[in-house]
Amino acid sequence: NAGVTQTPKFRVLKTGQSMTLLCAQDMNHEYMYWYRQDPGMGLRLIHYSVGEGTTAKGEVPDGYNVSRLKKQNFLLGLESAAPSQTSVYFCASSLTGSTEAFFGQGTRLTVV
Amino acid sequence: KQEVTQIPAALSVPEGENLVLNCSFTDSAIYNLQWFRQDPGKGLTSLLLIQSSQREQTSGRLNASLDKSSGRSTLYIAASQPGDSATYLCAVVQRTGANNLFFGTGTRLTVIP
Repeated sequence: NAGVTQTPKFRVLKTGQSMTLLCAQDMNHEYMYWYRQDPGMGLRLIHYSVGEGTTAKGEVPDGYNVSRLKKQNFLLGLESAAPSQTSVYFCASSLTGSTEAFFGQGTRLTVV
Repeated sequence: KQEVTQIPAALSVPEGENLVLNCSFTDSAIYNLQWFRQDPGKGLTSLLLIQSSQREQTSGRLNASLDKSSGRSTLYIAASQPGDSATYLCAVVQRTGANNLFFGTGTRLTVIP
């Protein structure tokens, strides 16, 4: 009964370092999403996937890459972290694009 | 581009009061509208999903309505409790494009005991 699980929950990076955020869902959902949440700006879509092996850009994709090699996992990578990427990152999944979305607990990332 | 607005940004009410949260969106070509709750430092919890063909949905003390033609939705909370204190977000899934959720910036609700 895990739903959507994000790893890690917290991380501090130095400018220029790289990291990967992992999202795993156990609901057999086709669609998966990565959002970032910043104060006063709401949640904004970074990248999304409509099925295994597919990825597409969202509203704010620059500086991020994603991969969906397995249906249950959606990885978000930062190749060279910048302070502007300090944010809370949320992963979500849904069965289709028009059904209920379920969210993970978030990853709080600080880039110094 | 779809724009979702939630007013007010913050609301404080005494315990027991009934209240209404508002959400408006600019593009009425949507599949559905979803209301979420977010507690500080936590993820989003889905409260209610209204399909575009529906007018309202109810879950316990919560009732959400949708007027697609006017681009509005309301979340009604009956007999508010301190445990209802949280940020409430609404989001719409558009019929065009990526079918992803477009979010408002939320209403921060405080229920005073």
